[in-house]
Amino acid sequence: EVQLVESGGGLVQPGGSLRLSCAASGFTFTTYWMTWVRQAPGKGLEWVANINRDGSEKYYVDSVKGRFTISRDNAKNSLFLQMNSLRVEDTAVYYCARKGGGLRWGQGIPVTVSS
Amino acid sequence: EIVLTQSPGTLSLSPGERATLSCRASRSISNNYLAWYQQKPGQAPSLLVYSASNRATGIADRFSGSGSGTDFTLTISRLEPEDSAVYYCHHYGTSPETFGQGTKVEIK
Repeated sequence: EVQLVESGGGLVQPGGSLRLSCAASGFTFTTYWMTWVRQAPGKGLEWVANINRDGSEKYYVDSVKGRFTISRDNAKNSLFLQMNSLRVEDTAVYYCARKGGGLRWGQGIPVTVSS
Repeated sequence: EIVLTQSPGTLSLSPGERATLSCRASRSISNNYLAWYQQKPGQAPSLLVYSASNRATGIADRFSGSGSGTDFTLTISRLEPEDSAVYYCHHYGTSPETFGQGTKVEIK
């Protein structure tokens, strides 16, 4: 069974940084692209970033380019999202997801950017 | 960027009725890389259909997806009370990926 468990969220001031982690299990991590998706309070889903199997290709939504970095550690079956220069509008629940015939989702982790 | 427009915004139906949800893309989606998700309050989304018409593992056969190119449909053939949720379409063929704004299904 696919399991994705996010951690590292919380409250941060505007301009601050956070690093989200996602621990994957129940599948062969190295054979899948991975994704981060976010959902602002009361809003719909927004794709944030993708990373390919070996970490050599990365793609981002325009609003986070230059501020967020997606990465992975295949030896530890882990996905990361380094978030810098955080803005109030980055407040959301962040989901880690496995790509491959649609997305399989983690339970999500809240990130609040507020002074 | 491919814009996905879902309609209607809200659907209010009785148990046993048929629900038809639409997702229209601003340009053709390659290889029909279009998925549908169900999200209940306080929960993560869950995959219903991928590649436009393939039901995900464990999904009841009352859920079905159809369509190609720019027009896609999710049909729930016989609504049950537990189908009350928001449903999102998602294209995943090329970056940037995008989601529709969602259709809320209410069970009377």
